[in-house]
Amino acid sequence: QQPVQSPQAVILREGEDAVINCSSSKALYSVHWYRQKHGEAPVFLMILLKGGEQKGHEKISASFNEKKQQSSLYLTASQLSYSGTYFCGTENEDGGGADGLTFGKGTHLIIQP
Amino acid sequence: DAGVIQSPRHEVTEMGQEVTLRCKPISGHDYLFWYRQTMMRGLELLIYFNNNVPIDDSGMPEDRFSAKMPNASFSTLKIQPSEPRDSAVYFCASSLDREYNEQFFGPGTRLTVL
Repeated sequence: QQPVQSPQAVILREGEDAVINCSSSKALYSVHWYRQKHGEAPVFLMILLKGGEQKGHEKISASFNEKKQQSSLYLTASQLSYSGTYFCGTENEDGGGADGLTFGKGTHLIIQP
Repeated sequence: DAGVIQSPRHEVTEMGQEVTLRCKPISGHDYLFWYRQTMMRGLELLIYFNNNVPIDDSGMPEDRFSAKMPNASFSTLKIQPSEPRDSAVYFCASSLDREYNEQFFGPGTRLTVL
């Protein structure tokens, strides 16, 4: 089942902060975050595993609430380059890792100067 | 590193024709994934392989779709016969390990079926 992302779209001024949320109805093994710019491939941002481990870019932060099956991506002091569509992808707990990802519909982020 | 390589980048074909999409994963990556992206359905998993063996093909929409991975450095996704509703961007991705499963996406193949 597809995770639900919110909000669907965000418009920010450069330097402002944003939070993007991802929620699943299934118990999760991991949550992945990707950013995609128009006409390009999704690019990896961060992985959060059940149990607390995470791996990602230094300037990106995120949280994973295993009990609620929710994750949030935090974008602080946004830059023009942050514009794009953000996707969360999930792996179910019964898979135990290295499964194909189930992606949400995406959150469109526009940063204005 | 060259990253994941896909070919062709664009394909325009007529309904009923056979289409073959190609992917070369990052060397040493044991997992290969095929995704399809459309405006209506978003980004959806079609099939994935581990060590050249198909693990989950439940996302393959119909028997018209087939995928193979004859060796560690090459995979194909074939559609025969193609239909207009197959028009989409098809991405191939690869990952190194089971634990983190950080997936690196190729540039995609934009398929248009007329």
